[in-house]
Amino acid sequence: DAKTTQPTSMDCAEGRAANLPCNHSTISGNEYVYWYRQIHSQGPQYIIHGLKNNETNEMASLIITEDRKSSTLILPHATLRDTAVYYCIVRVAMNRDDKIIFGKGTRLHILP
Amino acid sequence: DTGVSQNPRHKITKRGQNVTFRCDPISEHNRLYWYRQTLGQGPEFLTYFQNEAQLEKSRLLSDRFSAERPKGSFSTLEIQRTEQGDSAMYLCASSSPGTKGRETQYFGPGTRLLVL
Repeated sequence: DAKTTQPTSMDCAEGRAANLPCNHSTISGNEYVYWYRQIHSQGPQYIIHGLKNNETNEMASLIITEDRKSSTLILPHATLRDTAVYYCIVRVAMNRDDKIIFGKGTRLHILP
Repeated sequence: DTGVSQNPRHKITKRGQNVTFRCDPISEHNRLYWYRQTLGQGPEFLTYFQNEAQLEKSRLLSDRFSAERPKGSFSTLEIQRTEQGDSAMYLCASSSPGTKGRETQYFGPGTRLLVL
């Protein structure tokens, strides 16, 4: 799987939009961009994924640049419960084993 | 709650003892994964099952580690002769092919192991 680069940590004020960047300059055409988050002492939680079009669900929006070399996860109205480590991952579609290769992620602090 | 359960949630043991963890995946999921996570790091892949077959093992899975999924449902991960370096969070995840055309792994809450 391709490598991703994320900032180590970010702060965001409660109620504001949290924008988490991810660089994946070596992404291949058949690789999806996935986002997971991990709240302290819990297992990772799936947030959203996309191939090349922007995606939105009840948790977040995913904006992928046209060249697919970077993406941004947007939490539109951050709450204190969104404080977590956010992992950006690229994975081959329908891979045989489908294991996830996690990096260190971005530690997001939502400030009251 | 993702529907994946793990027991126990916490385990403290002395060096040299054997420990066993259990994972119950989402019932219709045929793929089951084990990961290990140490402090400040992201989870690292250990092994994966499709139904009862263990299809891949990471080099992190030393000879002291063994995982089973005897009937293709729940899975156990055993660590023999534990060492202090085994202290970590052990995470289980499950998935099923074809969900929305793409697999998504759902993680359990993890078992935190402390080896004294």
